[in-house]
Amino acid sequence: DTAVSQTPKYLVTQMGNDKSIKCEQNLGHDTMYWYKQDSKKFLKIMFSYNNKELIINETVPNRFSPKSPDKAHLNLHINSLELGDSAVYFCASSQWDRASNGYTFGSGTRLTVV
Amino acid sequence: GESVGLHLPTLSVQEGDNSIINCAYSNSASDYFIWYKQESGKGPQFIIDIRSNMDKRQGQRVTVLLNKTVKHLSLQIAATQPGDSAVYFCAETRRASGTYKYIFGTGTRLKVLA
Repeated sequence: DTAVSQTPKYLVTQMGNDKSIKCEQNLGHDTMYWYKQDSKKFLKIMFSYNNKELIINETVPNRFSPKSPDKAHLNLHINSLELGDSAVYFCASSQWDRASNGYTFGSGTRLTVV
Repeated sequence: GESVGLHLPTLSVQEGDNSIINCAYSNSASDYFIWYKQESGKGPQFIIDIRSNMDKRQGQRVTVLLNKTVKHLSLQIAATQPGDSAVYFCAETRRASGTYKYIFGTGTRLKVLA
């Protein structure tokens, strides 16, 4: 019944590795997002996709590459992980052209780079 | 960079008292505002929203006030309960690339004392 689900919930990896985080939503929304939350709880948008098309791409290192195989999925691949990538990554979804009721967020993926 | 509410303060209130959480936003062109609640280990959850053509909106035990003159938003929680303990974020919404982009504040931690 989970509306926006992310996997894995926790991810511990070494510097230099490549990892992926997956996100799926079953709400029928057509827009999905990745947000990064740092240790001070600050939430910052990274990417947004609408119907598999990239529409928001904030200033994010090109080591981060989102992929949307369909409008219900938005995955995040990170190459050459660095210590500063440690954070909680949230996936969210919404309906295009409707700000009402905001986003529905997933429960987050805590990434720890050691 | 863009920011809403630069600090992460902590607000401690006695159970049963009313709580007021404040937020300053940066862009006078923002036309929609949302309060989110984030409990430990979970993603942000929608609480209440308000459009820029309103100055007050009430929900169940929560009221949001908007003062566009000073770009200030507040969330009032009546009869605060232990389950209200969480980090609260305000978010302003701007239209970007055809969709709505949320700019989050850094949040306020609410601690409810028994």
